[in-house]
Amino acid sequence: NAGVTQTPKFQVLKTGQSMTLQCAQDMNHNSMYWYRQDPGMGLRLIYYSASEGTTDKGEVPNGYNVSRLNKREFSLRLESAAPSQTSVYFCASSERQATFSNQPQHFGDGTRLSIL
Amino acid sequence: QKEVEQNSGPLSVPEGAIASLNCTYSDRGSQSFFWYRQYSGKSPELIMSIYSNGDKEDGRFTAQLNKASQYVSLLIRDSQPSDSATYLCAVTEPSGGSYIPTFGRGTSLIVHP
Repeated sequence: NAGVTQTPKFQVLKTGQSMTLQCAQDMNHNSMYWYRQDPGMGLRLIYYSASEGTTDKGEVPNGYNVSRLNKREFSLRLESAAPSQTSVYFCASSERQATFSNQPQHFGDGTRLSIL
Repeated sequence: QKEVEQNSGPLSVPEGAIASLNCTYSDRGSQSFFWYRQYSGKSPELIMSIYSNGDKEDGRFTAQLNKASQYVSLLIRDSQPSDSATYLCAVTEPSGGSYIPTFGRGTSLIVHP
């Protein structure tokens, strides 16, 4: 099993360009999450999907949109990329819906995104 | 603002020693507590979870939780150079009917031979 798969692994964009980061999990998990990780800042939650069909904002949602396409897939879109969005993006999933508190997370390998 | 605080380090310990990593959190409603290990350039991986006060042991790792003091720690016994990594503390907090994880900024651990 692949677990959580993120594509692409690396990407360079110009300011103002748009792109979609893809995430898919094959563990039949209910909850999915998008984080960004910047040096010295830890992991910050961008958006999450507590269950199939729902999405909610996290700590830093501005400049991003998400789509929970089905139970397996959760994509993150940058409509007009800005240099401040240069970061490493991680997708994660949890087995149960986010209405349960004891939710260890499984992370993808990350997407390293640079915006010039 | 809900906060999860960790000393950024680096914490340097000799091989074979006990490494002690600490984390404090601000939300008394926090329910679940996790420790993740992250090697440089890699993704976080879960190493311990703890949900009730007291100690939980798994091999060389022990997680300790004190909800009254809003404090969770991770002890690594017989530290090895392969334990050198950043350790992230995560706390799950209630938010609008869901439980949302908040991560600390991580503590860098260096185990030197």
